[in-house]
Amino acid sequence: SQQGEEDPQALSIQEGENATMNCSYKTSINNLQWYRQNSGRGLVHLILIRSNEREKHSGRLRVTLDTSKKSSSLLITASRAADTASYFCVMNSGYSTLTFGKGTMLLVSP
Amino acid sequence: GAGVSQSPRYKVAKRGQDVALRCDPISGHVSLFWYQQALGQGPEFLTYFQNEAQLDKSGLPSDRFFAERPEGSVSTLKIQRTQQEDSAVYLCASSRGLAGTRGYNEQFFGPGTRLTVL
Repeated sequence: SQQGEEDPQALSIQEGENATMNCSYKTSINNLQWYRQNSGRGLVHLILIRSNEREKHSGRLRVTLDTSKKSSSLLITASRAADTASYFCVMNSGYSTLTFGKGTMLLVSP
Repeated sequence: GAGVSQSPRYKVAKRGQDVALRCDPISGHVSLFWYQQALGQGPEFLTYFQNEAQLDKSGLPSDRFFAERPEGSVSTLKIQRTQQEDSAVYLCASSRGLAGTRGYNEQFFGPGTRLTVL
C-alpha cells in the first residue's frame, strides 16, 4: 500500500468552526479511508470512499475524492473539543495492509 | 460486543530483555495485523496473519521480532533483546475478511501496548 501525505501537519481551531484536512497520494487506488486517533478511543475508522465516488457524508464528516488530482479532503463541520485528535488518510490499493502517513493533528479549543 | 484487546497496556523493559505482547482480536475475525507507532508518527505495518498463517512479515524491523498466532485467534508479538529504538506503541488490529481482496475490510484496532525500553 502507498502512503498518503496529509496537509496541514497541525491545525488549531475554535469550537464551532469547520476543519478541513487534505490528503494526496501517488498511484491509483481502490478506496481511501480516514482514521482518527486520540488518547481516549485509540485508532478508529471514520469513513471510506471508493474510487468511483466523489463525495461521501457521515454525520458531521464530509469526504471528497478527486482521482484525477489524486487527492482527498476531510471536512469536519461544527467542530467540538472531542474532535481533537490526529487524522490519517489511508489508501487501499488491493492488498489491504494499511499504510499511514504522519497525519494531521487537530486541536479544537473550547 | 468486545473489541480488540491488548495486554499489557504498558511495559517497561531494560535493554536486552525479552518482551511478549498479547493481542485478543474480535472473535471470528480472520485477519490480524500488528503495527508499530513511534512518537509523532503514524502506525507502520509489521506483520499480517490470515487465521494461523503468517502471510506477510515484511514489516518486521529485525530478526529480533517474532509473531505467532498458533490457533488462529490470540496473537503474540515477541521482541528479543530489546533495544531503545524498539520503544513505541504496538497496535494490533483485526478484520473480518481476508486482506488482499478488493472488497472493503475495516480494521478494528486495539488500544495498543506502550513499550518503553530503558
